[in-house]
Amino acid sequence: QLVESGGGLVQPGGSLRLSCAASGFTFSSYWMSWVRQPPGKGLEWLANIKVDGSVTYYMDSVKGRFTISRDNAKNSVFLQMNSLTAEDTAIYYCASPHSRSGYYAFDIWGQGTKVTVSS
Amino acid sequence: QSVLTQPPSVSAAPGQKVTISCSGTTSNMGNDYVSWYQQLPGTAPKLLIHDSDKRLSGIPDRFSGSKSGTSATLGITGLQTGDEADYYCGTWDSSRHIYVFGTGTKVTVL
Repeated sequence: QLVESGGGLVQPGGSLRLSCAASGFTFSSYWMSWVRQPPGKGLEWLANIKVDGSVTYYMDSVKGRFTISRDNAKNSVFLQMNSLTAEDTAIYYCASPHSRSGYYAFDIWGQGTKVTVSS
Repeated sequence: QSVLTQPPSVSAAPGQKVTISCSGTTSNMGNDYVSWYQQLPGTAPKLLIHDSDKRLSGIPDRFSGSKSGTSATLGITGLQTGDEADYYCGTWDSSRHIYVFGTGTKVTVL
């Protein structure tokens, strides 16, 4: 129900744009988030965006470098990543709450897309 | 950077019980919106518990959640080999408008 794309190998200092396509639920009703997991490490929430795209929040580690956006007409959320460093190497997931689980948990997850930052 | 503290690992024999603690501060654990996620090797996280103690539909009642003060606990009874996974707690930090995950706990079935 969530499918990420856009990952790959990028050089340090480079940029990448991740996409996440939603299906099977009312995408436009939910805040959407991006979460990442570096190799062998834990989960790190990155950013989220309000249902209409008017409000966004970011983790300090990516503020000013990453931008989250959405297109409700295309049931998609995006993550523009700039000034990438090796520390950004991770699997990137998009995640969504759902009314069945009270809106404050990440009920729906994508399969993840791998981003590797290396020269 | 994780701000919720979990034990790195817990283990028990099949059929036994394990508990996983999750400790935070009033800005993040001061609400009742704690969730627990299970991550099997090589897969995306899966929601087990939401709103501190509510099992998602389809999750066996062997899994339970509770919360007291600024700590939450995940319990797994009747441990099975299929329960071997990493488990994460998570909740919203109301003061910083961000979501925070726990450090993660690896469950091993002996």
